[in-house]
Amino acid sequence: DQQVKQNSPSLSVQEGRISILNCDYTNSMFDYFLWYKKYPAEGPTFLISISSIKDKNEDGRFTVFLNKSAKHLSLHIVPSQPGDSAVYFCAASGLDYGQNFVFGPGTRLSVLP
Amino acid sequence: NAGVTQTPKFQVLKTGQSMTLQCAQDMNHNSMYWYRQDPGMGLRLIYYSASEGTTDKGEVPNGYNVSRLNKREFSLRLESAAPSQTSVYFCASSEGPVGGAKSFGAGTRLSVL
Repeated sequence: DQQVKQNSPSLSVQEGRISILNCDYTNSMFDYFLWYKKYPAEGPTFLISISSIKDKNEDGRFTVFLNKSAKHLSLHIVPSQPGDSAVYFCAASGLDYGQNFVFGPGTRLSVLP
Repeated sequence: NAGVTQTPKFQVLKTGQSMTLQCAQDMNHNSMYWYRQDPGMGLRLIYYSASEGTTDKGEVPNGYNVSRLNKREFSLRLESAAPSQTSVYFCASSEGPVGGAKSFGAGTRLSVL
């Protein structure tokens, strides 16, 4: 039973537009969330995090929104660039999990020029 | 500025053989991690080390052992490789023991025949 779901395996967006990547979780004990991006044949790159005490966190072109009641978070990339084309993973953890973050299966983003 | 360095990049083993995956980081990070990634899935934590001298099991530790040799180095050993251990392995590190892995190596692609 997947505790962290990324229901869209892939997403295509035009360059300059907004990319919205979604992530849902089932465990109400999760209280800290991470987003990573991954290029082929490379390790993941940490993008941004959010704690459950906040509902939004921004870092440059990347903003993460957290809706605790819906157990949903989303990553917004504005504006999208071709270099953003990668697989994006969300990950979640909570008090009983420590550093054992549970990862979603990823969403492949393609930013079209 | 190498970051996290993993060796080897590729390895083919026969069932029952043993091997050690090496990982070193040059960022003076305290915490180090070993993950595996299987096709179509997110990363799963095998073991992590919050600080030099400590190691803890993650989600999928069976069939693996680790050694935190010093602050820089964290190795992963497969004592008797099995086909189910065919995967891509990532080593990662972070400055502190909370908040998840922040820097990843490029990965080791392991095939067990």
